Amino acid sequence: DSGVTQTPKHLITATGQRVTLRCSPRSGDLSVYWYQQSLDQGLQFLIQYYNGEERAKGNILERFSAQQFPDLHSELNLSSLELGDSALYFCASTKNTGSNEKLFFGSGTQLSVL
Amino acid sequence: QQQVKQSPQSLIVQKGGISIINCAYENTAFDYFPWYQQFPGKGPALLIAIRPDVSEKKEGRFTISFNKSAKQFSLHIMDSQPGDSATYFCAASSGSRLTFGEGTQLTVNP
Repeated sequence: DSGVTQTPKHLITATGQRVTLRCSPRSGDLSVYWYQQSLDQGLQFLIQYYNGEERAKGNILERFSAQQFPDLHSELNLSSLELGDSALYFCASTKNTGSNEKLFFGSGTQLSVL
Repeated sequence: QQQVKQSPQSLIVQKGGISIINCAYENTAFDYFPWYQQFPGKGPALLIAIRPDVSEKKEGRFTISFNKSAKQFSLHIMDSQPGDSATYFCAASSGSRLTFGEGTQLTVNP
């Protein structure tokens, strides 16, 4: 168990809908990363937060947004969902924000858009 | 420049054999090269990592070989076991962002 908790584990929704994925980082970890994993794109970095502030942005669509709350949990909001958004979404956490930090991944949220 | 190319896509090895997975990168600013292991239904987990000032790092049955001039690095799994069957991802980072390879699905037959 990595100590990173993601909910829900599975999410099935329809096109055009909006969903929220939740992540609780390991105790003491200030940095949260979101990744999208799909068969054709592999593991793609979406966005990083550190202690409540956005630190880095990757291949995140404008329809997607994220935030990190004062208790350090993070939420990834996906709106106007399309079939192509179906993927496994991972959250990872680490204590700091340096490049050599070990990332601890949650078990992911499997999103299916029908 | 941000890509990390990984090969092979899949690999089948007999128990006791050596598994070798290769990665190549272009961005010379990358300064940290980890390998992650992922089992079905789980998130990736850090296996072993290396920095570019070292040519080899060994941890148990797992070894990373790093060739800075060729911008290539590889994972060697010695005495491969059925329990090693998983997907392996190489990655590279500069700053706080990890860029992953496409993944290699390893199957170790008993």
